[in-house]
Amino acid sequence: AQSVAQPEDQVNVAEGNPLTVKCTYSVSGNPYLFWYVQYPNRGLQFLLKYITGDNLVKGSYGFEAEFNKSQTSFHLKKPSALVSDSALYFCAVTPDSNYQLIWGAGTKLIIKP
Amino acid sequence: NAGVTQTPKFQVLKTGQSMTLQCAQDMNHEYMSWYRQDPGMGLRLIHYSVGAGITDQGEVPNGYNVSRSTTEDFPLRLLSAAPSQTSVYFCASSLAVQSSGNTIYFGEGSWLTVV
Repeated sequence: AQSVAQPEDQVNVAEGNPLTVKCTYSVSGNPYLFWYVQYPNRGLQFLLKYITGDNLVKGSYGFEAEFNKSQTSFHLKKPSALVSDSALYFCAVTPDSNYQLIWGAGTKLIIKP
Repeated sequence: NAGVTQTPKFQVLKTGQSMTLQCAQDMNHEYMSWYRQDPGMGLRLIHYSVGAGITDQGEVPNGYNVSRSTTEDFPLRLLSAAPSQTSVYFCASSLAVQSSGNTIYFGEGSWLTVV
């Protein structure tokens, strides 16, 4: 079955340190990959996506993600975390043009001052 | 730019009651969908529509109905509310089908409690 895994329910990072939120997937074909962020009591907001091309994708708020086909991963990264980055992060994948998005369960990111 | 607008934001229902969650978008998006979000389960697709007059079931459609009479509106109806339908509901839209790589825009969410 096709799936997306976010192996960490919660990630804790000190402000100013680099952060990584992990995402791995198991889908057929050439995937499209997305990261969305949800702030408390709000809807999800688009961060970035990988469709094709450069494996390193840059997105909103200083975030970036690296597509690694051999490891079937699409980890979200930021060089220096801010307290305001604290939120719930969702990875989503679609295998090709005929399928709905498959969502990960979400990772809660907590940035401590 | 309003984007995707959902109402109501909060609602408490008694078991067996029916209600409609409203969703409207002003971006002329063809694709609209409804998700529910439950702790530890991410987003689950309830119903979706690829255009006016066309709807289809998602992963968890039981107990819900939808219609798409216009491009702008995509209401979600709970037919006979059950406590298992206590959740946060999100309406979303995108220019075309999600898997084409189009960005999805979400509403602010509707918090529903069924007692």
